[in-house]
Amino acid sequence: SQELEQSPQSLIVQEGKNLTINCTSSKTLYGLYWYKQKYGEGLIFLMMLQKGGEEKSHEKITAKLDEKKQQSSLHITASQPSHAGIYLCGADSELRDDKIIFGKGTRLHILP
Amino acid sequence: DAGITQSPRHKVTETGTPVTLRCHQTENHRYMYWYRQDPGHGLRLIHYSYGVKDTDKGEVSDGYSVSRSKTEDFLLTLESATSSQTSVYFCAIRLGQGGTYEQYFGPGTRLTVT
Repeated sequence: SQELEQSPQSLIVQEGKNLTINCTSSKTLYGLYWYKQKYGEGLIFLMMLQKGGEEKSHEKITAKLDEKKQQSSLHITASQPSHAGIYLCGADSELRDDKIIFGKGTRLHILP
Repeated sequence: DAGITQSPRHKVTETGTPVTLRCHQTENHRYMYWYRQDPGHGLRLIHYSYGVKDTDKGEVSDGYSVSRSKTEDFLLTLESATSSQTSVYFCAIRLGQGGTYEQYFGPGTRLTVT
């Protein structure tokens, strides 16, 4: 079965620093989704990547898709307290059955 | 905001009692999903629906049933709640089918089974 591994599992960074979160799939990636979850709240959709080499940005968050490595990375520039939370990646199921498989998430803490 | 609400938002119940969680959407989306989120396991799919009265199992469906009699409502029932079903439950809708479409999530229901 398809699995998504996120690394690191948790991350503590000083405010203003850059950081990267990785998501690696055990199967071919068709669609890759990034979500953010504030503690105790629901998931907020950040962005979707479809094509190898695709890169998207939203405010200070940039995500890239490396199709050959079956991997996506999420990069935050000049981190702020508002970036704290749990980041989850999701990928279209290899069976193309309208399901999304999710990673276990990366907990991000920002130190002031 | 995809117009998704969940009720109740919090519930405490006793082992062995039936519990029904409701997911309501206002935008006529065909696909709806129920997930549970637990520490160390991430989000796991319980059941999903691809239309009225059309449902299918996810990876953790044992002990759960669903119903969808109207497009806008997707109900998740725990027939006889157990402590292992203490979790946060999320409902989601998907914007399209047969391709790459993101899911949008409701605010969640925190269920505690004592």
